[in-house]
Amino acid sequence: GQQVMQIPQYQHVQEGEDFTTYCNSSTTLSNIQWYKQRPGGHPVFLIQLVKSGEVKKQKRLTFQFGEAKKNSSLHITATQTTDVGTYFCAGRPASGSRLTFGEGTQLTVNP
Amino acid sequence: DTGVSQDPRHKITKRGQNVTFRCDPISEHNRLYWYRQTLGQGPEFLTYFQNEAQLEKSRLLSDRFSAERPKGSFSTLEIQRTEQGDSAMYLCASSFGGPSSYNEQFFGPGTRLTVL
Repeated sequence: GQQVMQIPQYQHVQEGEDFTTYCNSSTTLSNIQWYKQRPGGHPVFLIQLVKSGEVKKQKRLTFQFGEAKKNSSLHITATQTTDVGTYFCAGRPASGSRLTFGEGTQLTVNP
Repeated sequence: DTGVSQDPRHKITKRGQNVTFRCDPISEHNRLYWYRQTLGQGPEFLTYFQNEAQLEKSRLLSDRFSAERPKGSFSTLEIQRTEQGDSAMYLCASSFGGPSSYNEQFFGPGTRLTVL
């Protein structure tokens, strides 16, 4: 079955440093979504990428979808304490309706 | 609050008992998903409804799990003869989409199940 892997599992940064998490799928995806889950909370949608090579930005967050539609990344510039949480990618296969979530990258930001 | 709601928020039960969880999605959403999440892991897909039809079910689900969405609105997830390995957070999510469009999913706060 489809597998989605994320690295790193944990990332500790000083406030102001940049952060990147990487997501790789074992199969080609039709689209990929990113979610953020704060400690004790539930996943909250950030963005969806659909096109090969797509790049989208949300303020300090930059999302990329690979040319082969099998990998993606999330980059945060100049982290803030409000960025703390676990970031999940979730891929949807070319045929099918289910999302497969990665294990997530847990980000902690030291002030 | 017009978000996804789940009830109960916490459930403690003894091994072997049956439990039922309820999810009320956002009212105009035609799709409803159930996930299970354990500590340090991402949400794991359990099943998916489009309106009242259960279109997909994970092979990971044993026969002890069943879900319904009788009128295409709220949904229930039942676990029979609970086992300690069933202890997890059970998340419900809803979304709206056409035949081949899949949009963002809105998650509820979850039901935390503890099986003693």
